[in-house]
Amino acid sequence: GQQLNQSPQSMFIQEGEDVSMNCTSSSIFNTWLWYKQDPGEGPVLLIALYKAGELTSNGRLTAQFGITRKDSFLNISASIPSDVGIYFCAGRRDDKIIFGKGTRLHILP
Amino acid sequence: DAGVIQSPRHEVTEMGQEVTLRCKPISGHDYLFWYRQTMMRGLELLIYFNNNVPIDDSGMPEDRFSAKMPNASFSTLKIQPSEPRDSAVYFCASSFARAEETQYFGPGTRLLVL
Repeated sequence: GQQLNQSPQSMFIQEGEDVSMNCTSSSIFNTWLWYKQDPGEGPVLLIALYKAGELTSNGRLTAQFGITRKDSFLNISASIPSDVGIYFCAGRRDDKIIFGKGTRLHILP
Repeated sequence: DAGVIQSPRHEVTEMGQEVTLRCKPISGHDYLFWYRQTMMRGLELLIYFNNNVPIDDSGMPEDRFSAKMPNASFSTLKIQPSEPRDSAVYFCASSFARAEETQYFGPGTRLLVL
């Protein structure tokens, strides 16, 4: 079946540092999505990417749709304490959305 | 709008018991999705409905799982009989249109089967 490999699984960073995480797949996706999940809550959509090569920003977040359509990355600049949580990538193909297993972000004071 | 509402938020039950999870989607949304989240398998789509009709249930793990959507404002996911390996967080999500990709997730039901 289709699998998304999301890395890293977890990150420990200092407040103020930039963060980078990515997702890769052996399959092509038509859409890449990035979600954030806070403790005890459901995932919330951060960024949606619809075209290969597309680079989209949402505040301090920037995401790109890889030109091969098999990967995507998410960058967070100047991290702050409220960035803590689990970040999920998701790819859409044939009306199905497949989620990665998430990157758990920890921010050290 | 109150967002997607799920109940109960937490459920602890014994193996063999029937479990019913409930979801109220955002008013006006045409699509409703049920997901299961575990550490091992991540977030998995179980089933989704369009206009109250089940479209794809290929993610439902086995016959012990069933889902219904009797009307546009209510859906249930039932597990009967429940097993310890069913322990997970179950999310309901809804969206206005599939192509928009903006699925709004509920807070989830944390299920523990002893």
